Amino acid sequence: DTAVSQTPKYLVTQMGNDKSIKCEQNLGHDTMYWYKQDSKKFLKIMFSYNNKELIINETVPNRFSPKSPDKAHLNLHINSLELGDSAVYFCASSLLPGGGYTFGSGTRLTVV
Amino acid sequence: AQTVTQSQPEMSVQEAETVTLSCTYDTSESDYYLFWYKQPPSRQMILVIRQEAYKQQNATENRFSVNFQKAAKSFSLKISDSQLGDAAMYFCALYTNAGKSTFGDGTTLTVKP
Repeated sequence: DTAVSQTPKYLVTQMGNDKSIKCEQNLGHDTMYWYKQDSKKFLKIMFSYNNKELIINETVPNRFSPKSPDKAHLNLHINSLELGDSAVYFCASSLLPGGGYTFGSGTRLTVV
Repeated sequence: AQTVTQSQPEMSVQEAETVTLSCTYDTSESDYYLFWYKQPPSRQMILVIRQEAYKQQNATENRFSVNFQKAAKSFSLKISDSQLGDAAMYFCALYTNAGKSTFGDGTTLTVKP
């Protein structure tokens, strides 16, 4: 059983398109996150949701919009994709503050 | 603002030997947590070890242990009896009650047979 699952694992798309990445966790965790890992492997938080409520929204272009229909799901929608959006996007969840993250396997997004 | 610094972009170790990865951090919070995560070539991020700042005792998980020096804001990871499967990128991370983790830039560990 996969604890945090992301789909798709790979996504290749053209500039200007709109795409979504889905994330689901079956751990019963209250908090979910989206992180971006760029080509130099730098990891940076984008969003955090606690029980469907947005609690962290870092400086991210408005083209990125997270949606959490319930506490087990956190999806990421990206409008008008740009070349600079190419990266690996990780979903993660945690049970308690400071409990450590369980990560999904990542989605490698390539914008051409 | 919180920062995490890993000063060693790359490290290498001979199989079966011991290696220490360095991490320093800065935060104004008194209550926080520190982590080491491993990212092998498969890309999966895996939690290796966790340390609560209020605990003086250093965390240990099998061959992995930390040296937590709170006053110096230092949090190094020691890997004993290194194995080929330990080859990966290792990230140090700081979590505060601001509700997010800040990651260091990572250290790539190579294990030589």
